[in-house]
Amino acid sequence: KAGVTQTPRYLIKTRGQQVTLSCSPISGHRSVSWYQQTPGQGLQFLFEYFSETQRNKGNFPGRFSGRQFSNSRSEMNVSTLELGDSALYLCASSLKRAPGNTIYFGEGSWLTVV
Amino acid sequence: DQQVKQNSPSLSVQEGRISILNCDYTNSMFDYFLWYKKYPAEGPTFLISISSIKDKNEDGRFTVFLNKSAKHLSLHIVPSQPGDSAVYFCAASGGSTSYDKVIFGPGTSLSVIP
Repeated sequence: KAGVTQTPRYLIKTRGQQVTLSCSPISGHRSVSWYQQTPGQGLQFLFEYFSETQRNKGNFPGRFSGRQFSNSRSEMNVSTLELGDSALYLCASSLKRAPGNTIYFGEGSWLTVV
Repeated sequence: DQQVKQNSPSLSVQEGRISILNCDYTNSMFDYFLWYKKYPAEGPTFLISISSIKDKNEDGRFTVFLNKSAKHLSLHIVPSQPGDSAVYFCAASGGSTSYDKVIFGPGTSLSVIP
């Protein structure tokens, strides 16, 4: 069974540009969450999608957005990139929304903003 | 405010000894707890979880203990092996409005010395 797939794995962008990251969840998983990891900050929750609807959102500015498609694949977009957006962006999927669900991560997309 | 805390940024243990990683949480509504391990340049991988109705869960060398009154959980690894060297994240979920919002701690970097 294929795991969570994220593309691209590595990318470099210039300040002010925008970026789109893609995530394909484990087959059958309907919930997709996004996290940002920066050195010393752990995993910061960005948002969670289920059935094409955003269900939860973390404390990030509106420059960070996402969406989920009918096949559960998800994309996140960051507009007007800032140097501080350089981070590892992780996508995670789970079978359904309920307390006690385990989430499974992809390998992440490394974004460097210069 | 940090709802999940891991107060030890790093820990060093001799091979064969016990590793104890600690985690504290502030939200009494959390009812499901997870531990993830992360190697550099990889996504976090699920290790073990525990529901709030239990106080212990064991899986091979890994045991998680939960003390709800103290809002504290710990991960025990016995015996520790060099391959266990990684960053360990404690995570929690549950609550009245955000069932699938999994909150992570900042992580503890474990080094197992041969």
